[in-house]
Amino acid sequence: EVQLVESGGGLVKPGGSLRLSCAASGFSFSDAWMSWVRQAPGKGLEWVGRIKSKRGGGTTDYAAPVKGRFTISRDDSENTVYLQMNSLMTEDTAVYYCAKVYTLDNLAFDFWGQGTLVTVSS
Amino acid sequence: EIVMTQSPATLSVSPGERITLSCRASQSVTSKLAWYQQKPGQAPRLLIYGASTRATGIPARFSGSGSGTEFTLTISSLQSEDFAVYYCQQYNYWPLYTFGQGTKLEIK
Repeated sequence: EVQLVESGGGLVKPGGSLRLSCAASGFSFSDAWMSWVRQAPGKGLEWVGRIKSKRGGGTTDYAAPVKGRFTISRDDSENTVYLQMNSLMTEDTAVYYCAKVYTLDNLAFDFWGQGTLVTVSS
Repeated sequence: EIVMTQSPATLSVSPGERITLSCRASQSVTSKLAWYQQKPGQAPRLLIYGASTRATGIPARFSGSGSGTEFTLTISSLQSEDFAVYYCQQYNYWPLYTFGQGTKLEIK
C-alpha cells in the first residue's frame, strides 16, 4: 500500500524558515518523481515544486511564487522528500501536500499525503 | 502562463442525477489533463488522467473526455459520496502544473 506521510508543519513568524518532510512507503521511491502542492485555507490547489528521480537527473523545478525561497531535496536511503522553506511570508500559509508523480508518460499525481499545515503569522 | 478555468463554480444537484463539469485551458494542453476529487479535510484523489483514463479503483460512473482546450468530467449517476470539490489540472507544460479553481458539487 502506498503511503505518504508529511510532517514538520507548524506556526512560524514571517521571515522564518521551516522544513517539511514526506516519508514514503509502498513503492519504489528512488524511481519516483515527487512534487509538493499547497492549499491556502478555503482556496484551491497550487503546485509548489517537483524533484525528479536521481536516474532522471534529480533536478528540481519550482513555481514562480516560491522560486529562490523554497528548496526540494530527497534522501532515497530514507525514502523521504523534503521541502525547505525560507523567507516565509504570510501568503505561504497553507496545507502542504506531497504527491507522487504517476509515470513519466502521465505526470499526474496518483498518490497524495494527508498534508501538514504551515501557518505564517506574527 | 496557462490558465485553467472550471465551470460552474458550484453545482447543486440531487443524488442519481447525471452531471457534467467543464474545464477550459487558455491554450492547448493536448490530452495532458487530470481530474481530482477532494472531500473536506482530505487530500485530493486522482480520478482521471490523460483526459479520459480512469485511475485505479475509480468507479465507472466517472468519465472524462476532451482534448486541446475543452474538457469535461461526467458522473453518470451521482452517489452521496461524490459530493466534493473537483479540480482539473494540466501537465502538458510541465514542469509548471496548473490547476483549475475547482467546482463544488453540493446536495440540492
